[in-house]
Amino acid sequence: SQQGEEDPQALSIQEGENATMNCSYKTSINNLQWYRQNSGRGLVHLILIRSNEREKHSGRLRVTLDTSKKSSSLLITASRAADTASYFCATGFNTDKLIFGTGTRLQVFP
Amino acid sequence: DVKVTQSSRYLVKRTGEKVFLECVQDMDHENMFWYRQDPGLGLRLIYFSYDVKMKEKGDIPEGYSVSREKKERFSLILESASTNQTSMYLCASSLLRGRARGQETQYFGPGTRLLVL
Repeated sequence: SQQGEEDPQALSIQEGENATMNCSYKTSINNLQWYRQNSGRGLVHLILIRSNEREKHSGRLRVTLDTSKKSSSLLITASRAADTASYFCATGFNTDKLIFGTGTRLQVFP
Repeated sequence: DVKVTQSSRYLVKRTGEKVFLECVQDMDHENMFWYRQDPGLGLRLIYFSYDVKMKEKGDIPEGYSVSREKKERFSLILESASTNQTSMYLCASSLLRGRARGQETQYFGPGTRLLVL
């Protein structure tokens, strides 16, 4: 039962540009998390935003959450070639399990 | 730093073989998870364990079993491997938070890419 759906599925930008990825989900949440996966590797946690928060920053990352629209966005500012990866949102509610979306593949060209 | 290790990065097995995928975490986490990842489908939860000898089915448990005899180790078993189990398998761990306390960050291993011929 996939809950998170990322949009777009793939994104290509030049170094220095900003990258925005969106996530929509279907049910109630306690929090929403974003993870990054480099090609062929495991996922790495990037940022967590709680259901009572609207915006959160971490370095070049900015996450917003709109619980009324059941959506979140991840903004990467001043992107670098090293940001090339797949990005996943993950949600859960009242359990320790997370439900992951299908991911956005980001390609940053030098 | 949390470290989650998986026994193999790449594995090639034949149809009908019994396959063991091992996962070890070194941060005393209560929760451990097994996912499979397929193109276009994202990560799907196979099994979840919140304590030694405790397990809970995820979304796609058919054809798999698990074992958690020690807190740090969570094994995924393919009783009789089939070609449709060719996939990337990811193990993760997290602290136990329980109901109504929200989800904790999950820490992932590097993955095992399994090919079943």
